[in-house]
Amino acid sequence: TQLLEQSPQFLSIQEGENLTVYCNSSSVFSSLQWYRQEPGEGPVLLVTVVTGGEVKKLKRLTFQFGDARKDSSLHITAAQPGDTGLYLCAGERTGNQFYFGTGTSLTVIP
Amino acid sequence: ETGVTQSPTHLIKTRGQQVTLRCSSQSGHNTVSWYQQALGQGPQFIFQYYREEENGRGNFPPRFSGLQFPNYSSELNVNALELDDSALYLCASSLTRNKGREQFFGPGTRLTVL
Repeated sequence: TQLLEQSPQFLSIQEGENLTVYCNSSSVFSSLQWYRQEPGEGPVLLVTVVTGGEVKKLKRLTFQFGDARKDSSLHITAAQPGDTGLYLCAGERTGNQFYFGTGTSLTVIP
Repeated sequence: ETGVTQSPTHLIKTRGQQVTLRCSSQSGHNTVSWYQQALGQGPQFIFQYYREEENGRGNFPPRFSGLQFPNYSSELNVNALELDDSALYLCASSLTRNKGREQFFGPGTRLTVL
């Protein structure tokens, strides 16, 4: 059983479209991270959010941490084929341990 | 590249055998965490080591054990292998064990148990 549920599990969109990935839990986290993982590689950190309600932008990617620090979202504007990959959220709990979500596999079609 | 290396890249074992996976941290990183990633799933936290001592453990049985060495490299040992142990094993190193720390992942070791 994973603490964090991501939706959707799979997403296939055309280049130029917008999308949002959700990461939800009933647990409170001290911080939340988003990663992207490509086949044959380990996850690569995209962002860390710490404060409830926090919004961070990284070029075309916007990350939001829920007010209650139980959920988060990742919004991509004008998706590009290079955005293709597995997106993972990871919530930090007691003992500074990270618990990963179930993952969202994104395919951007040129 | 993150500077974190893992060996071997791939490994095939049979049920009941034992396996040792290795991780070399990024220079200066004193914290290493190990994760198990089953196919189509997110990584699951196994345990974390800080300055050669276990610093936290996920919901894994005692047959999963680890070591961290003075140079902060690390090993994951799994005894009495089961079919469900087949997965990608990832290690991640970080500069600290503090809240919000940045973790740098290695490419993983793909373990297949037959």
